[in-house]
Formats: sequence, C-alpha cells, structure tokens
Amino acid sequence: SQQGEEDPQALSIQEGENATMNCSYKTSINNLQWYRQNSGRGLVHLILIRSNEREKHSGRLRVTLDTSKKSSSLLITASRAADTASYFCVVSGGYNKLIFGAGTRLAVHP
Amino acid sequence: DGGITQSPKYLFRKEGQNVTLSCEQNLNHDAMYWYRQDPGQGLRLIYYSQIVNDFQKGDIAEGYSVSREKKESFPLTVTSAQKNPTAFYLCASSPGTSGTAEQYFGPGTRLTVT
Repeated sequence: SQQGEEDPQALSIQEGENATMNCSYKTSINNLQWYRQNSGRGLVHLILIRSNEREKHSGRLRVTLDTSKKSSSLLITASRAADTASYFCVVSGGYNKLIFGAGTRLAVHP
Repeated sequence: DGGITQSPKYLFRKEGQNVTLSCEQNLNHDAMYWYRQDPGQGLRLIYYSQIVNDFQKGDIAEGYSVSREKKESFPLTVTSAQKNPTAFYLCASSPGTSGTAEQYFGPGTRLTVT
C-alpha cells in the first residue's frame, strides 16, 4: 500500500510546547501533503512538499521529507489550544489520486 | 465567497432508502472527489470526476453512484445496496486533473442510517 502511516496515533502536549508528527510511506511519490481536520469538520490543506524538496516552512509549521527513508515529519512550534485537531499525511504517486493515512490526533492543553 | 458547500450537515435515513448528498463548488475546479470517513480512520475515496460528464470509481465505489452534469456540482447517491452507509462523507475539489494537487474540502455530511 502507498498509504502514509502517521506516528504517533495520538499526542498530548501543553500549550507552548512543540509537537512533532511522523509519517512513513512505502513507494515512490510525486509529493507529500499534510492536512488538518478539526473534530467533525472538513480537512484543511497545510503544506505540500515535492519529492525534490527536503524542507518547507509555513508560519509555525515545518515539514521535512527524506525520500531515501520514505518518511516525513511535521513540526508545529509553540503550540496553541487551537492546534488541537487530527493531522493527516497524504501521499500521491502513480494513482493520480491522494492516499490518506489514519492520522495523528493532537491534543494541546491550556 | 468562494468554496465548497455540502448539504445537509446531518442526514438521517431509514435502511433501504436511497439518499443523495449535495456538493457544490464555485472555485472553477475541474476535479471533484467524494470520500468516506469512519470514526478514527482516514479518508477512503468513493468516486472522482476529472471533467464534466465523466467520473471514475475509487477504492470503495460499491453501493454508491454519482453524476457530473455541471462543473460545479457532484452529487453522491448512497443506495440501499451499500451495506454500512452510516459515516461522515466529505466532498473535495482540485484545480487541474492530475489528482495529486492540493484538494479543497467541504464541511462534510454526517449520514446516519437506522
């Protein structure tokens, strides 16, 4: 399966701490994306990193991609209670469609 | 105000009834997608359409049907043949037709069948 698998499945931290989520996948990819889903809502696109990129930043988000290890990480710095959500690693490759993992559930406590 | 709308937010149906979920976008996107999400799970692709009057089965198309008569609309019908229809349904759209670009999601419809 090409599906991205997130680790950990759940993460609980205090406000102000950094949160790191990891993703592993199995085959070659065109790009890798991270999405956020607040409880019971639609998904919001956070960041897209192409297979020839190693690191990308967007505000408090930092994404890395290691194609040799078939892995990616999402770092959220200085977390806030509003960051509480599920985060999905999404890979795309030869299927011309996105493949979603099961997600990491992040809880940020005030 | 651009975006994707799904209606209704909550839908209740009796077993054996067909039900149609609405998805409309005014982003002028070519591609549209329907996903199903079960509790604690990721999204699974039901159907997708890359152009008007054409659509393709995704990974779990059995028991579902779609149409794409207009660029901005991609309704999903959950038929009585779907064995376990209770789930959260998400519609998405994307510019271009590669299927690997960023997708924009609607707020979802939670369907409960009893």
